[in-house]
Amino acid sequence: DAKTTQPTSMDCAEGRAANLPCNHSTISGNEYVYWYRQIHSQGPQYIIHGLKNNETNEMASLIITEDRKSSTLILPHATLRDTAVYYCIVSARPMDSNYQLIWGAGTKLIIKP
Amino acid sequence: DAGVIQSPRHEVTEMGQEVTLRCKPISGHNSLFWYRQTMMRGLELLIYFNNNVPIDDSGMPEDRFSAKMPNASFSTLKIQPSEPRDSAVYFCASSGDRTHGYTFGSGTRLTVV
Repeated sequence: DAKTTQPTSMDCAEGRAANLPCNHSTISGNEYVYWYRQIHSQGPQYIIHGLKNNETNEMASLIITEDRKSSTLILPHATLRDTAVYYCIVSARPMDSNYQLIWGAGTKLIIKP
Repeated sequence: DAGVIQSPRHEVTEMGQEVTLRCKPISGHNSLFWYRQTMMRGLELLIYFNNNVPIDDSGMPEDRFSAKMPNASFSTLKIQPSEPRDSAVYFCASSGDRTHGYTFGSGTRLTVV
C-alpha cells in the first residue's frame, strides 16, 4: 500500500493558486517527500522534493509541516497545461536500505478556464 | 540533453510472441528503473538497476519477464512469451547519485492480442 493519502480529484480556476494536500503520517526520518505529475499519455515528470524545509523551484513550492506528517504542493498560478495527475510519494534514496518507492493513485487536478 | 529514450513507442504483438523493450538512460545517471502502468494497477516498479547491477527485481511479475543492463547506456525488458494481460504502458526512468528526481521516458505502449 502507498504510504501517502491524497484526494482523488481537485478543480482549480486558471490563474489561481492550486494547493494539493498530501498526508504521510508514517514517514520515516530519512524519507523524502517527492512530487511528480503525469500529463495524459506522457511519462511522469519530477516536480520537487523536500526533507524538512519548505522548498521552491521554478515549477512549484512544497510546504512540509513541522512534524513532517503532511505536505502541500502549491502551483502559484495554475494554467490549463497544469491539468494532470499529481503524485505525492515518500521514499528514502535508492541507495538507502529501506528504499521502497510506491506510487498511489494520485490527485487528478483539473484546471478550469 | 535528449532525456530518457525508449523504443518502440508502440508495439502490437500476438500472444506467445517475444517482446523486447529498449531504454537509453540519461548519460551520467547510474540508476535505471522499469515501470509498468495500467488503469487497474496504476504505476508499478518492476525492477531497478544501480551501476548496471539489478538491485531489486521483486516487482517482476513472473519468469516470463526479464531485464538486462549490459552497459551504462542501454537496458532491455523482455517478455517471452507475451500474454494479453501484459498489455500496458512500460516506462523506463533514470536518476543519478546527485539527483533526487527520476527522469522518465515517454513510455512504450504494448498491446498483446
